[in-house]
This record gives sequence, C-alpha cells and structure tokens, in this order.
Amino acid sequence: GGIITQTPKFLIGQEGQKLTLKCQQNFNHDTMYWYRQDSGKGLRLIYYSITENDLQKGDLSEGYDASREKKSSFSLTVTSAQKNEMAVFLCASSSGQNQDTQYFGPGTRLLVL
Amino acid sequence: GDSVTQTEGPVTVSESESLIINCTYSATSIAYPNLFWYVRYPGEGLQLLLKVITAGQKGSSRGFEATYNKETTSFHLQKASVQESDSAVYYCALGPDTNAYKVIFGKGTHLHVLP
Repeated sequence: GGIITQTPKFLIGQEGQKLTLKCQQNFNHDTMYWYRQDSGKGLRLIYYSITENDLQKGDLSEGYDASREKKSSFSLTVTSAQKNEMAVFLCASSSGQNQDTQYFGPGTRLLVL
Repeated sequence: GDSVTQTEGPVTVSESESLIINCTYSATSIAYPNLFWYVRYPGEGLQLLLKVITAGQKGSSRGFEATYNKETTSFHLQKASVQESDSAVYYCALGPDTNAYKVIFGKGTHLHVLP
C-alpha cells in the first residue's frame, strides 16, 4: 500500500498572493495529477505529470504553475489568488499503465480573503 | 467531446431501500474507454469503488454493482439495499483520453441514507 499526503490541509490567502500547495506520494507512481474541485462542478484537471520533470497542462491550467522535481512530489502554485476564491485542490497519482486507478490525497482547502 | 453526466444530487433514501445512480457518458475520441466509480466518504479522501474496462462486463464492490453498457453508453451504479454507512459522494469517471492519462469525472452525486 501507499499514501498521498497534501500540505497544508487548509490555506488562507490574500488577493493577489502567490500560494503553493504540496503533494507527496510513496506509491512509486510515475503519474501525478492536480485537480480543482468546486461545489457542483466535479473535478477539473489543472496539471499532470507523467514522470519526473514532466509537466502537462490540463483543462484549467491558466493561473497556475506546477513543478515535479522528484518522482515522489508534485507541487502546485496559484500564481495570483483571486478574491473570495474557495475551492478544494486534490492531488492524485497512478502507475500510468493504461490509465490505472488514481489514488487521491485528502485535499487542500483554499480560501482567499 | 468526451463527457460524463450523472444523477444530480442530493439523493436521499432510507436504509434497506434500493438505489440507482445514473451515469451516461460520451466517448467520441476514446476508442476503448474504461469506466470508474469513485467515492468520497465523510472525512476521507476520494477512492476507487469499482472499475470496468470491458464493455458488457459488470463490476462490483461493497454491495454496489455497475454494468458497462456500450449500446446505451451507460454505467449506472446500483445497490439492492443501502446502509447508512453508504452516505457519501459518488463520482462516475471515464478514461483514458487520447493521450492515455486524463480521466473525465462527472460532477458527483451526494447520497444521504437515512437510518
């Protein structure tokens, strides 16, 4: 088995601030993902990475940067937080073989004041 | 394009009643889609409930079943007798897309089971 950890659990920021979310996995999975979850909108893919140092844009990449410097970690940066923004960011990983099961972290809840 | 549509919630049922959460998909760019149901229980992370990768096959887990129906492009989630512990948010998902890594999720269905 393995586990995905996300830090921080809660993130409160100010409008215009740059905010970084971190994700670690010990599955030894090749592929990692960042999703944004808004109420009533399901999961939307922000970025994914199929291997160390790879980055691929998802459907919602504008306003975000990502970094995959190690196989086990994948970070996401909100480049300029939007006022009154509230969402949950989920990190996931998979082995990448023919779209294997994705394993999710507990999420980071973002609130921008 | 590729998309997933599922029952809008919240869905409220009483314990021991039967349940069906509808899921239909559109896979115009995916030749052989895999279908998934994920679940998020209160206080826990999103996790796989079941998956089916072959049309016509049925997947099952924790008393839930879903059949991959290519003719009707459906993957409905069913349970004959729900329990209070089944209260959760359920997501239908479709993958992979043409680049073999992306999964398309539905909006989620919040299920409340009354004791």
